[in-house]
This record gives sequence, C-alpha cells and structure tokens, in this order.
Amino acid sequence: GDSVTQMEGPVTLSEEAFLTINCTYTATGYPSLFWYVQYPGEGLQLLLKATKADDKGSNKGFEATYRKETTSFHLEKGSVQVSDSAVYFCALSDPFYGNNRLAFGKGNQVVVIP
Amino acid sequence: DAGVTQSPTHLIKTRGQQVTLRCSPISGHKSVSWYQQVLGQGPQFIFQYYEKEERGRGNFPDRFSARQFPNYSSELNVNALLLGDSALYLCASSLLTGGDSPLHFGNGTRLTVT
Repeated sequence: GDSVTQMEGPVTLSEEAFLTINCTYTATGYPSLFWYVQYPGEGLQLLLKATKADDKGSNKGFEATYRKETTSFHLEKGSVQVSDSAVYFCALSDPFYGNNRLAFGKGNQVVVIP
Repeated sequence: DAGVTQSPTHLIKTRGQQVTLRCSPISGHKSVSWYQQVLGQGPQFIFQYYEKEERGRGNFPDRFSARQFPNYSSELNVNALLLGDSALYLCASSLLTGGDSPLHFGNGTRLTVT
C-alpha cells in the first residue's frame, strides 16, 4: 500500500541553523502530501501541504516541494528557532478516501538548542 | 471556536478490560476519524465516520469499534485490551469526506494498559 518514509533519528541543531527533514513516498496514484507538527502534549497540527506535482507548500518559514520524479517532499527551514522544537510527520492522503485517511511516516524529533 | 475535544485525556486500564474514548468534532464538521499513535511511531488510521456511517477502516482487529452520533460526536471502543493497545488515540474532524477538506486533530487520549 501507499507509504511514507522519513529519515531515521532525531535532529538536533542550533538556533538559526538550516533544517532539512527528508521524506519520500510510495503511492499508486497521485496523493496530496502533508507535513504535520506535534508539540509536546498536543495533537497534530497541519504545517503545510501540496496537492500536485511541483506544488510548493509553505507556512511559518517552512517549505516543501512535491517532487514526483524523486517521490519526495522534503521539509526545509532556513533559520530555526527554539520554538520549532517538536516532532514533524510527513503524510500522504489516500487516493480514494482523500484527506480523511492519511498514511504517516514515523516522525522526526527536532531539538533546537539556543 | 473550540477545536476537536477528546475525553478523557489519560486513562489506565488492565489487560482484558474494555475502554471507551470520546470525541467532539469542531462545530459544523461532519466527518470524524480515529488514529492510533504508538510511542515513537506515526499515527495509524483506525476508522473514519461521516454522517453516522463508517466510511473506512484501517488494519485493526474487530476488538476495535466506533460509532458516530447524530450530533457528529464519536466514540471509539476497544474490547479485551492488550498491552500493545497502549498508545495515544487521536481524533480528527473535517468538514467533508474525501477531497481536499483538511483534518483537524484533537490533543488525544493517552491509554495505558497494564
């Protein structure tokens, strides 16, 4: 079935550093792609999304581009802040059920050190 | 406006017991989805309900069941609890089913099975 793979392990970086979190996907159709963020003790919040190839989603300084040729949707931010410390999940939608049925990656914990 | 609310926030159960988790969607949202998030993993889709009808089911045993009420709130029931059912259970609501309607997640119910 459709699936998402995120890079292994937590990411620790200093404030104002550049952040990249890799995400690749396997899908039979043309899913929408998402990045969700989970702050400690909270549920998931939609960070950004892209619905078709070459779309760029952006929000709060984060960006990700839907790359059909490399089946990727890598998350980037040019200058992270301590408040960006959270767990980030890449996800794709089910081609039939749409956004109500998402397949998530394992997530990456991001720790930003002052 | 109130977001998705879930109750209880935490509970502890013993193996073999049954548990009921509750979810109130955002006002006006007719679709409710349930996800299980085991520690260190991404959320996994369990059920989706729309207009009181089951619209999708993930790869979970029959011990898991759910329903949606006329006011669009929902309950998730798990029978004969196993240690492996320990997880954060997330409820998400959306305005519509399918398509591009975004999911809004609650903060979850943390279930511990001892």
